[in-house]
Amino acid sequence: KNEVEQSPQNLTAQEGEFITINCSYSVGISALHWLQQHPGGGIVSLFMLSSGKKKHGRLIATINIQEKHSSLHITASHPRDSAVYICAVIRGSQGNLIFGKGTKLSVKP
Amino acid sequence: DAGITQSPRHKVTETGTPVTLRCHQTENHRYMYWYRQDPGHGLRLIHYSYGVKDTDKGEVSDGYSVSRSKTEDFLLTLESATSSQTSVYFCAIRTQGAGEQYFGPGTRLTVT
Repeated sequence: KNEVEQSPQNLTAQEGEFITINCSYSVGISALHWLQQHPGGGIVSLFMLSSGKKKHGRLIATINIQEKHSSLHITASHPRDSAVYICAVIRGSQGNLIFGKGTKLSVKP
Repeated sequence: DAGITQSPRHKVTETGTPVTLRCHQTENHRYMYWYRQDPGHGLRLIHYSYGVKDTDKGEVSDGYSVSRSKTEDFLLTLESATSSQTSVYFCAIRTQGAGEQYFGPGTRLTVT
């Protein structure tokens, strides 16, 4: 079993919809990253959080340490949000990342 | 973008040849990482460095070596490339304090 599981693996939405991507993990962590990768593109850090909730524009990330679960929400989705979203947990004194396999989001106009 | 560059950005090489990928950063971050990204596996850690001449293995280190002789450069070497090492390679740095990681643009390596 993977230490970091994301769901769903693939998600298709209509423009304007509210989107939720989930991440569950089975190990102790110090923090969690949400990353974004556009097709053929680089990897961009969206959030790093260790408790509660963070918001940046239309993106909201939450984490529940007790339940070992995090969610990434996108409000008023747009075709430019189409990308792969990757959850990664930080563990160990060296801060190494363990990655989920990503959620591929496609937002249709 | 945390001042991270990778070179080359694309490379095609033959099985059995040595290959070196370079990661360069401009902001004196202590921690640097090499990852590979493959369909079905996602991103996996190859090696990391926590200072000049200080390196350690990650999850998929077999067939790879690294060197860090100066803070700004972290080199990944495939001593004898194999087709299973065809992948996209990403370098990353970790910031002090918050410990957030930032990624380079990636190197697409094809071993024929």
